[in-house]
Amino acid sequence: AQKITQTQPGMFVQEKEAVTLDCTYDTSDQSYGLFWYKQPSSGEMIFLIYQGSYDEQNATEGRYSLNFQKARKSANLVISASQLGDSAMYFCAMRVGTGFQKLVFGTGTRLLVSP
Amino acid sequence: DAGVTQSPTHLIKTRGQQVTLRCSPKSGHDTVSWYQQALGQGPQFIFQYYEEEERQRGNFPDRFSGHQFPNYSSELNVNALLLGDSALYLCASRPRDRSSYEQYFGPGTRLTVT
Repeated sequence: AQKITQTQPGMFVQEKEAVTLDCTYDTSDQSYGLFWYKQPSSGEMIFLIYQGSYDEQNATEGRYSLNFQKARKSANLVISASQLGDSAMYFCAMRVGTGFQKLVFGTGTRLLVSP
Repeated sequence: DAGVTQSPTHLIKTRGQQVTLRCSPKSGHDTVSWYQQALGQGPQFIFQYYEEEERQRGNFPDRFSGHQFPNYSSELNVNALLLGDSALYLCASRPRDRSSYEQYFGPGTRLTVT
């Protein structure tokens, strides 16, 4: 069965510092993809970054990068130069199945950025 | 370009009642998925609609049903509400361009069952 594990319930970081949010996954599929979403208190899930299992390069989107280590089944999110507006819940998710794909989510990590 | 929209924003219902939640996908999107997010948890997949048919279903009872209309919008219906159905219900849509795996989420409907 596919599963996402996020072991950090909460993380604290100072403004302008970098922070790494951990995510490990379990799947027997060869083709899969990993997402990171940000969920502010308003509730909307905001897409941050995506990494496909066959992508050789780690994905980057602005201040976000995904540290993909396939052999270790980890897909950690790195946020560089944290900003106060980065304070939110962060969810790692995996797309499963072919064709009509669903997302399996972890339990999330709450990030608090302090001035 | 409007993103995914959901209505209503908040809803309070009594146990045993029925509720209908609505979702309009982003322009250019044709697949709609529904997720339930209980407090302090990650979203759980309920089901997915494409071409007006349910294509995949998560581990949810038959009290949860849905519909997709020709304009790709979708409804989620929940019958015989239980206290445990209280959650944030999120709708996500996927683009017709299948080269993109991104799923765009709406702001959610917060359902409280009393």
